[in-house]
Amino acid sequence: EAGVVQSPRYKIIEKKQPVAFWCNPISGHNTLYWYLQNLGQGPELLIRYENEEAVDDSQLPKDRFSAERLKGVDSTLKIQPAELGDSAVYLCASSLGGHETQYFGPGTRLLVL
Amino acid sequence: GQQVMQIPQYQHVQEGEDFTTYCNSSTTLSNIQWYKQRPGGHPVFLIQLVKSGEVKKQKRLTFQFGEAKKNSSLHITATQTTDVGTYFCAGRSGGSNYKLTFGKGTLLTVNP
Repeated sequence: EAGVVQSPRYKIIEKKQPVAFWCNPISGHNTLYWYLQNLGQGPELLIRYENEEAVDDSQLPKDRFSAERLKGVDSTLKIQPAELGDSAVYLCASSLGGHETQYFGPGTRLLVL
Repeated sequence: GQQVMQIPQYQHVQEGEDFTTYCNSSTTLSNIQWYKQRPGGHPVFLIQLVKSGEVKKQKRLTFQFGEAKKNSSLHITATQTTDVGTYFCAGRSGGSNYKLTFGKGTLLTVNP
């Protein structure tokens, strides 16, 4: 069974530029999560989807961050414009349901210069 | 909001020594999960504890959930170099909120 797929794995951009991350969850997983992980910290939830509906986006900085999950499968997380403080690892995870085990993807390492 | 604290932040041991990391929540949890993240890798689910006072074992790993469901521990017996990584606990509150709150993790290094 294929795991959670994320791309790109690494991204280097200049501040004020836009950036987008893509996630393909495990087949059949209805719940998808985007997490932010800073160095030396645990993952912090940005947004959670149940199918195509964003059911918890309370921690998503909506002035510059946006996300979508069209058709309830793949998801895209966008930052526009990026700031220096956005440098981090962006992790996508999926689960069968909200209470089920979460499976993490390899993450996208973002460096904003 | 809910906070999950983990100690120690770092632990360096000689191979063969035991290791323990502790997790404390500011609120009562419905369940707690443990994850392992290898250097440069992503978090991998280890186990979930649900019941008050629950103890689960996975080979050399022993997981405990406190009676008050506010604290938990992970103990590794006779560490090996393959145990190197960061161990995170993640707590989930009750009700309809499915959000997992992760601790900052304990980085374990093992000297062969």
